[in-house]
Amino acid sequence: DGGITQSPKYLFRKEGQNVTLSCEQNLNHDAMYWYRQDPGQGLRLIYYSQIVNDFQKGDIAEGYSVSREKKESFPLTVTSAQKNPTAFYLCASSGGGRAKNIQYFGAGTRLSVL
Amino acid sequence: EDQVTQSPEALRLQEGESSSLNCSYTVSGLRGLFWYRQDPGKGPEFLFTLYSAGEEKEKERLKATLTKKESFLHITAPKPEDSATYLCAVQLNAGNMLTFGGGTRLMVKP
Repeated sequence: DGGITQSPKYLFRKEGQNVTLSCEQNLNHDAMYWYRQDPGQGLRLIYYSQIVNDFQKGDIAEGYSVSREKKESFPLTVTSAQKNPTAFYLCASSGGGRAKNIQYFGAGTRLSVL
Repeated sequence: EDQVTQSPEALRLQEGESSSLNCSYTVSGLRGLFWYRQDPGKGPEFLFTLYSAGEEKEKERLKATLTKKESFLHITAPKPEDSATYLCAVQLNAGNMLTFGGGTRLMVKP
């Protein structure tokens, strides 16, 4: 089955700790994205990558970091500099062909602070 | 500044009671407008893309329309399983990124 896999489903962070959220896709998509969703709100863009070894900051990149070493993988690290990390994190990807503009989403990771 | 506003924030309907959700936008250079459905605790599921004013798309009980300033998601004779949050997003000519509205939470009671 082609799709986007996010792990873990739930994650807890202790104060001062960095945590990494995984996002893997087997859709052969070039572009990948990370969004943050707070309760009752829409999605806000954290980082995006149009191609391997390249990525750009979105609207709320402070306190986050990413890497894109492989086409299939786009992990997000929530650093200790992010003072309010509790949120639902969503990874998406988009690819080529007629549907190249459509972003498809994973099931999300819910991050909470202990 | 590019803005996307959805209304109402929440909508309660009786089963079979048709209604519409609104997504208004103020952006420069619209490339496409997207509708997604999101169930609680899950990722958004793609529904429709609209590219030009006057365009319409349909899927089961849902129909999306687009004008130069807004989009409507019409729900005809809704069922309880249509209960979800509906998100709209705009994509600009400048790139592939999406700017999302705050969503409309739809609750359909049997």
